[in-house]
Amino acid sequence: QQQVKQSPQSLIVQKGGISIINCAYENTAFDYFPWYQQFPGKGPALLIAIRPDVSEKKEGRFTISFNKSAKQFSLHIMDSQPGDSATYFCAASMRSGNTGKLIFGQGTTLQVKP
Amino acid sequence: DGGITQSPKYLFRKEGQNVTLSCEQNLNHDAMYWYRQDPGQGLRLIYYSQIVNDFQKGDIAEGYSVSREKKESFPLTVTSAQKNPTAFYLCASRTSPSRETQYFGPGTRLLVL
Repeated sequence: QQQVKQSPQSLIVQKGGISIINCAYENTAFDYFPWYQQFPGKGPALLIAIRPDVSEKKEGRFTISFNKSAKQFSLHIMDSQPGDSATYFCAASMRSGNTGKLIFGQGTTLQVKP
Repeated sequence: DGGITQSPKYLFRKEGQNVTLSCEQNLNHDAMYWYRQDPGQGLRLIYYSQIVNDFQKGDIAEGYSVSREKKESFPLTVTSAQKNPTAFYLCASRTSPSRETQYFGPGTRLLVL
């Protein structure tokens, strides 16, 4: 119940295309869903995050879509650029207990071809 | 510069040796975390600490130990009991219980000789 399942494991997209990464969870107590971007040899950096009270959040070319009933959320990268080539992780946590423990998906390696 | 620093960038461990990974933050964050990253497995929580002199085990604490004697420091020791220590280790911190965002350091890659 604590798992977050992420797909696909790897993704190749042409420059200018849309990259879509999906995540699914089981624990309905999760109430915070961040996406992290990680470049090789670096630590992950927060990209965008959403709470379950909204169905979509957009920041620039990055959009999170959230489907509470299906317990799924996804990251859409519009107009994908070679600089977006990185590994992306979805995660989930719950505010109760205030531990801040993040449960991460397995990661998606994105390659954007010029 | 405010941020999280981890050292060393690369660390080599010999058989039966304990090694310590450093994590320091000058963000005045209360909570700190250690994650292990293996290819294709995402990040897994080793230990976390919400306040000084207190820490809790994460999902894969066996073979690891930590201390939190100062707010800004949260070192991780990989003991000889950890039989498969080769991984990328990431330290993170969080402002306070009301803020969920975790900020990550640059990581330490541990290799076994």
